[in-house]
Amino acid sequence: NAGVTQTPKFQVLKTGQSMTLQCAQDMNHEYMSWYRQDPGMGLRLIHYSVGAGITDQGEVPNGYNVSRSTTEDFPLRLLSAAPSQTSVYFCASSYSGGSTDTQYFGPGTRLTVL
Amino acid sequence: GQQLNQSPQSMFIQEGEDVSMNCTSSSIFNTWLWYKQDPGEGPVLLIALYKAGELTSNGRLTAQFGITRKDSFLNISASIPSDVGIYFCAGPISNFGNEKLTFGTGTRLTIIP
Repeated sequence: NAGVTQTPKFQVLKTGQSMTLQCAQDMNHEYMSWYRQDPGMGLRLIHYSVGAGITDQGEVPNGYNVSRSTTEDFPLRLLSAAPSQTSVYFCASSYSGGSTDTQYFGPGTRLTVL
Repeated sequence: GQQLNQSPQSMFIQEGEDVSMNCTSSSIFNTWLWYKQDPGEGPVLLIALYKAGELTSNGRLTAQFGITRKDSFLNISASIPSDVGIYFCAGPISNFGNEKLTFGTGTRLTIIP
């Protein structure tokens, strides 16, 4: 199993550009989520999904869209990038999202918005 | 917003020293999780705690679920260079049956040669 994969690893955008951060998992996990990590802030939940076709907002959803058309993939879209979205983005997955399930994290995407 | 406070924010220790860090919350948690993030990587689960008062070990790591259910502690004995990284506590928050994980701000561990 490859686990949780994320692409790209690094990205530089100009303000106003759009892009999609890709996330895929091959563990047949129902629960997937996106976090952003900023210095001194820990990881903050952006959006999550409890299964294909179902998504919900996390703590900091503004400026981001998600969709879950398959169990394997959970892309994160930035419609109009802003410098405040400069961060490291992590995708994670777990079997069902329950508190006893281990969340597996991808290696992260480092995004810089100029 | 952020509900978990970790201390200290950073630690500079020498190899072989023991390490203690803690995580506190204003709310009760039924589960406490401790993750470690190596430089340039995503977090990896170290220890999970499910019962107040529970003490669980994973090698040189020992974590405790506070009896008030509002705090948790992580200890590392005889630190080695590969212990360097950021340690996060985390706990689930239920949202209409769906659980969302909230993370602490992290404790960054540096080992001085």
